[in-house]
Amino acid sequence: KQEVTQIPAALSVPEGENLVLNCSFTDSAIYNLQWFRQDPGKGLTSLLLIQSSQREQTSGRLNASLDKSSGRSTLYIAASQPGDSATYLCAPPQGGSEKLVFGKGTKLTVNP
Amino acid sequence: DTAVSQTPKYLVTQMGNDKSIKCEQNLGHDTMYWYKQDSKKFLKIMFSYNNKELIINETVPNRFSPKSPDKAHLNLHINSLELGDSAVYFCASSNIGSGANVLTFGAGSRLTVL
Repeated sequence: KQEVTQIPAALSVPEGENLVLNCSFTDSAIYNLQWFRQDPGKGLTSLLLIQSSQREQTSGRLNASLDKSSGRSTLYIAASQPGDSATYLCAPPQGGSEKLVFGKGTKLTVNP
Repeated sequence: DTAVSQTPKYLVTQMGNDKSIKCEQNLGHDTMYWYKQDSKKFLKIMFSYNNKELIINETVPNRFSPKSPDKAHLNLHINSLELGDSAVYFCASSNIGSGANVLTFGAGSRLTVL
């Protein structure tokens, strides 16, 4: 059974700082992993999907890495902005299935 | 323009009632999902339909019954509502056939059972 842990649970940083969000998972038999952001009272927005054959995936100021063997993924946010404030969720699939398993998320606050 | 739309956005009802939440996607995706986010913010899958066929059915009470009239719609009907059903229910869709399976979520339907 896939279990996902995200550390830290909450993070508050000043604007402009680079930061790293961590995700660990127990079942490494995955073919991809997704990162989402959730704004308060809203749905989830897919940020990045990283395939198991990739080690990194980049979109703008976001960079996600995946190390299947160690069951870890990180989301790096460069030059953070107040608009980045949201909860970030990591979601690998249940090994061998299409079913995504979500972590509890990291709540990020970027202060102006 | 909304890719995945769900209605209603808010639903307040009494215990024991029956209610439905509707979901529609205009992305041409072949798979639709229902997720439940509880008060502790855990997001868990409930059901998944691929081209109108049930492919994921998690351990949820049989008071919850999904219905997919076509691949663009997946409705969730809940009978005999209980206090513990209070949560935000998210609909999502993806295209499994594309191999990437990127999920697009709706804005959520907040159900409050009194």
